[in-house]
Amino acid sequence: EAQVTQNPRYLITVTGKKLTVTCSQNMNHEYMSWYRQDPGLGLRQIYYSMNVEVTDKGDVPEGYKVSRKEKRNFPLILESPSPNQTSLYFCASSPRSGATYEQYFGPGTRLTVT
Amino acid sequence: AQSVAQPEDQVNVAEGNPLTVKCTYSVSGNPYLFWYVQYPNRGLQFLLKYITGDNLVKGSYGFEAEFNKSQTSFHLKKPSALVSDSALYFCAVRFTSGSARQLTFGSGTQLTVLP
Repeated sequence: EAQVTQNPRYLITVTGKKLTVTCSQNMNHEYMSWYRQDPGLGLRQIYYSMNVEVTDKGDVPEGYKVSRKEKRNFPLILESPSPNQTSLYFCASSPRSGATYEQYFGPGTRLTVT
Repeated sequence: AQSVAQPEDQVNVAEGNPLTVKCTYSVSGNPYLFWYVQYPNRGLQFLLKYITGDNLVKGSYGFEAEFNKSQTSFHLKKPSALVSDSALYFCAVRFTSGSARQLTFGSGTQLTVLP
C-alpha cells in the first residue's frame, strides 16, 4: 500500500531532551515536507526537501533540523525541545517538487513537551 | 507573500442540503489551489485542485470547487451534504512565480453536517 508513515504517533517528553520523529514514504517521491498544525493557525511548513541532500527552510524552521540522506526517509530532529514545540506534526510527500502536485500526508505525530 | 484565508472557522449544514466552504487567496502570480480534508485522528487527504483550464473542478466524494480569478476565491461545494462529510477542511495555495515552492494553508474550517 502506498503510504507515508510516521513514528512515533504520540510522544511526551521533557524540555531539552533531544528527539527524532521519523518519516518514510514508499512511493519513490522526490519531494518531502514537514508541517506543524496548531489550532487556528492551520498547517505551517517547517522544512522541505526537493530531493536527496536538498533541504530548505519553510515558514517556521527555528528549533528544528532535518536531513535527507535517502529518498524514502525525512526525519525531523528537535535538538532541544521546548514547550512551544508542543504540536501536531505531519510529514508529507509528492512525486515532484512542482507546484501542480498534490501532497500525500502521514497520520501525524502528537508531541507534548513539558 | 502568498496567503490564503478561510473566513469561517465553523460551518453547520443539514444533511441533504448544499454546502459551501469558503476560501480566498492573495496573489502575486498565478495560483495553484488545493482542497484537503482531515478526519479525526487522521492525516490530510487530497480532495481536488485547480491548475488551469475549466474554472469548475470536480474532486473526490462528490465535492467540487469553483475558481474565481476576479474575486480571488476557490470555494468548496457539494450539492447534497452527508453526515460523513463532517471533518476539518483546508484550502491551500502554491504560486508559480519566484521561489514559491511552499504550500500555504488556510486556518481550516470545521464542517458539521447535522442529521
